[in-house]
Amino acid sequence: KAGVTQTPRYLIKTRGQQVTLSCSPISGHRSVSWYQQTPGQGLQFLFEYFSETQRNKGNFPGRFSGRQFSNSRSEMNVSTLELGDSALYLCASSEGTGDIYQPQHFGDGTRLSIL
Amino acid sequence: AQKITQTQPGMFVQEKEAVTLDCTYDTSDQSYGLFWYKQPSSGEMIFLIYQGSYDEQNATEGRYSLNFQKARKSANLVISASQLGDSAMYFCAMPDRGSTLGRLYFGRGTQLTVWP
Repeated sequence: KAGVTQTPRYLIKTRGQQVTLSCSPISGHRSVSWYQQTPGQGLQFLFEYFSETQRNKGNFPGRFSGRQFSNSRSEMNVSTLELGDSALYLCASSEGTGDIYQPQHFGDGTRLSIL
Repeated sequence: AQKITQTQPGMFVQEKEAVTLDCTYDTSDQSYGLFWYKQPSSGEMIFLIYQGSYDEQNATEGRYSLNFQKARKSANLVISASQLGDSAMYFCAMPDRGSTLGRLYFGRGTQLTVWP
């Protein structure tokens, strides 16, 4: 079974631009979550999706948005990029059965660098 | 909200030796669970082991085991017979029971280095 696939793996942008990151979950998984990882703040929850609906959102500004498609694939978008948005963005998928003690499976992440 | 504390920024261990990575947590829930993940330099978070608060035995998964002490609110990861490939960041995490899908709260992680 293929794992969680995130594209692209690396991205370089400049301040003020926008970016879209993609995540394809494990086949059959219906829930997708996004996390931001930085050296200063560690791992922080961005949002989670199930059945094309955002179920929860972390404490991030409105510049961060996301969506989920009918095939469970998800995208996140960051507009008006700032230097502080430089981070590893991780996507995780789970079956979405409502059992929060099922492990989430992560992708390799997208490393975003803002110049 | 849950709080996870990992007090060891870095740990060093010689190959074939055992190592313990510390994790303490703070939650008001009576029922909860804890995950450990490994993150190599490539970035992917790899699920290692899970412990439920009502599990009667400490979790074990191959060379990984948990030293779970509920009264002390600690869930330390023990890696036996360390291998060079175990060098990575290790994170302790707890899902939010108030979250529909189990958003995770992570500790700051411990960087483990295994030397020959």
